[in-house]
Amino acid sequence: QVQLVQSGAEVKKPGASVKVSCKASGYTFSDYYMHWVRQAPGQGLEWMGWINPNNFDTSYAQRFQGRVTMTRDTSISTVYMELRRLRSDDTAIYYCARDSRRYFDFWGQGTLVTVSS
Amino acid sequence: EIVLTQSPGTLSLSPGERATLSCRASQSVNSNYLAWFQQMPGQAPRLLIYDASSRATGIPDRFSGTGSGTDFILTISRLEPEDFAVYYCQQYGSSPRTFGQGTKVEIK
Repeated sequence: QVQLVQSGAEVKKPGASVKVSCKASGYTFSDYYMHWVRQAPGQGLEWMGWINPNNFDTSYAQRFQGRVTMTRDTSISTVYMELRRLRSDDTAIYYCARDSRRYFDFWGQGTLVTVSS
Repeated sequence: EIVLTQSPGTLSLSPGERATLSCRASQSVNSNYLAWFQQMPGQAPRLLIYDASSRATGIPDRFSGTGSGTDFILTISRLEPEDFAVYYCQQYGSSPRTFGQGTKVEIK
């Protein structure tokens, strides 16, 4: 069965960087794009961008351009999302979500990133 | 970008009642590429409906989606206790992919 397992919670200081991982299993990793979505406490869902695990192609939401990098390691079926120059309003749960080729059909369990001095 | 506006913000209903949730897009959604997700507290979103009206695998038939263009509806025909949650619509017809702000269905 398809599973997306994310790395554990992180606490970071403002200005630092965080790198969240998402390990996929139960399907052919390179066949499906992966997206990242975040959710601030008590708020809605915000799309951040996607990566094509088959190559280096990525696309990022404009508001994260220059601060986010999505990468992958095909040898371990894992995608990564790095967010730099963290601010307090980056405190959120970060989710990876598999793209079925249109909609998000499977989600990771989420990773809480807390930014606090 | 396409802005999705969900209404109402909160829906207070009793188990067994019918829930009707609305999602309105600021411009037409290409190919009616609209999905609905359910999110329980402390959990990741779960796909309910894709392509505006197709139920995802394992989703009970009390959930149905309708609509096209700019106006979409999620209907829960008879609310079960496990249906009280937050529901989001999302369009994937154009980039950037966008979500509505959510509708909370709470027990009256």
